[in-house]
Amino acid sequence: DQQVKQNSPSLSVQEGRISILNCDYTNSMFDYFLWYKKYPAEGPTFLISISSIKDKNEDGRFTVFLNKSAKHLSLHIVPSQPGDSAVYFCAASGSGGSNYKLTFGKGTLLTVNP
Amino acid sequence: GAGVSQSPSNKVTEKGKDVELRCDPISGHTALYWYRQSLGQGLEFLIYFQGNSAPDKSGLPSDRFSAERTGGSVSTLTIQRTQQEDSAVYLCASSLFSDTQYFGPGTRLTVL
Repeated sequence: DQQVKQNSPSLSVQEGRISILNCDYTNSMFDYFLWYKKYPAEGPTFLISISSIKDKNEDGRFTVFLNKSAKHLSLHIVPSQPGDSAVYFCAASGSGGSNYKLTFGKGTLLTVNP
Repeated sequence: GAGVSQSPSNKVTEKGKDVELRCDPISGHTALYWYRQSLGQGLEFLIYFQGNSAPDKSGLPSDRFSAERTGGSVSTLTIQRTQQEDSAVYLCASSLFSDTQYFGPGTRLTVL
């Protein structure tokens, strides 16, 4: 039973446009959400996070939106650049004693075309 | 500074053999994690070490899997009597307490 779902395996956008990556979760105990970016043959690198007490967090070209009632979050990249081409993983963790345990989605492959 | 390193980067083994995967975390990080990513799947939590506390082994898929962390630093993940379904990329991460996890490049394990 997948608790974190990324329903789009891939996404292709033009350079300069907005990339929107989506993520849904089912576990209402999740209260912290992260996005990781992964290039081939490398480990995932942390990109941006959001706590459930917020609905938006922005860092440069990257913004994460959280809709708790819909159990949905999205990552916006504006403007998209060819170097953003990578697999993006959504991850979530819960409160309490096991807040270190991240549950990941399957990832979305983003391709930014020049 | 140096990031998380893992060795070997690739490992091919025969079914039934034992394998050991190594992780060197970022110096000073108190927490160390192992995950695995099977083909087409997300990362799956395996085990968590935090300081001198008892590890959280709840993600280990079977008793063929075990992990140690010696001296609060280097960790070894051991898989005994490997099976083909163990083929995956095994990723190690470390963090300062339960802060942001920083991942190594992974070990790609192929069981023939």
